[in-house]
Amino acid sequence: EAGVAQSPRYKIIEKRQSVAFWCNPISGHATLYWYQQILGQGPKLLIQFQNNGVVDDSQLPKDRFSAERLKGVDSTLKIQPAKLEDSAVYLCASSLGPGGSGANVLTFGAGSRLTVL
Amino acid sequence: AQSVTQPDIHITVSEGASLELRCNYSYGATPYLFWYVQSPGQGLQLLLKYFSGDTLVQGIKGFEAEFKRSQSSFNLRKPSVHWSDAAEYFCAVGGSAGTALIFGKGTTLSVSS
Repeated sequence: EAGVAQSPRYKIIEKRQSVAFWCNPISGHATLYWYQQILGQGPKLLIQFQNNGVVDDSQLPKDRFSAERLKGVDSTLKIQPAKLEDSAVYLCASSLGPGGSGANVLTFGAGSRLTVL
Repeated sequence: AQSVTQPDIHITVSEGASLELRCNYSYGATPYLFWYVQSPGQGLQLLLKYFSGDTLVQGIKGFEAEFKRSQSSFNLRKPSVHWSDAAEYFCAVGGSAGTALIFGKGTTLSVSS
C-alpha cells in the first residue's frame, strides 16, 4: 500500500513569511496527526483529526498555526507568520481510527523540514 | 502527567554486541507502548508495539521489548547489533481510545566497528 505522502520535503523561508505543508494519509485511515519535531527532541503533537473533525489541538499555537482536513482525506498545515523557533520537521501520520488495535498504530510520512531564517 | 523518559541521549555499541535502550513512562490509564526508529532524513518506522498479553514482544529487524508494569518500563533489546541499526530510537505511549502518541526525546544509537 502507498504510504503517507508529504510535501514539500524541504522549505526555507524568512521570518514573518508564511508556509504551507500538505499531507495525504494512507487510504482508508480515518485519523490524521501533525507532529512537530525540533532538532534533538521527540515529536510533539500539534493537531489530531478524526475524519474532518478536530480531536485535539491543545498544543497548536493558534495565533500562527492553522490546519484543516477537508473531506476527511488530505490535510494542510499552515504557519503565518513564521518565527525562528518554528524551524523543525513537520511530520504527518495516519492511523485506522478508533476501535481495535489499529487505532494506535501510526504510520508516518517522511516529513517536511522547515528552516526559518 | 503523561510522559515518556528515555534516560540515554546517546549510546555507542560495538557491532555484534548486545543492545538495551531504556524507556520509562507515566500514563494514567492502561498504556499502549511503542518503539519507533528514525534514520536521518526519514520519517518514523514502527519497530514493535505492546497492547496486552505477553509482556515480551517481538518486532522487526530482530528487536524485542519487555513491558514491566511494576517498573513502568518498556526497554528495547537486540542481541547482536548491526551497523545498519545506527539511528535514533523513540519510545512512545498512547491510550486505548485512539489518542495521539506521546514520544520520548529519543536515544541516538551509534555502532562502532
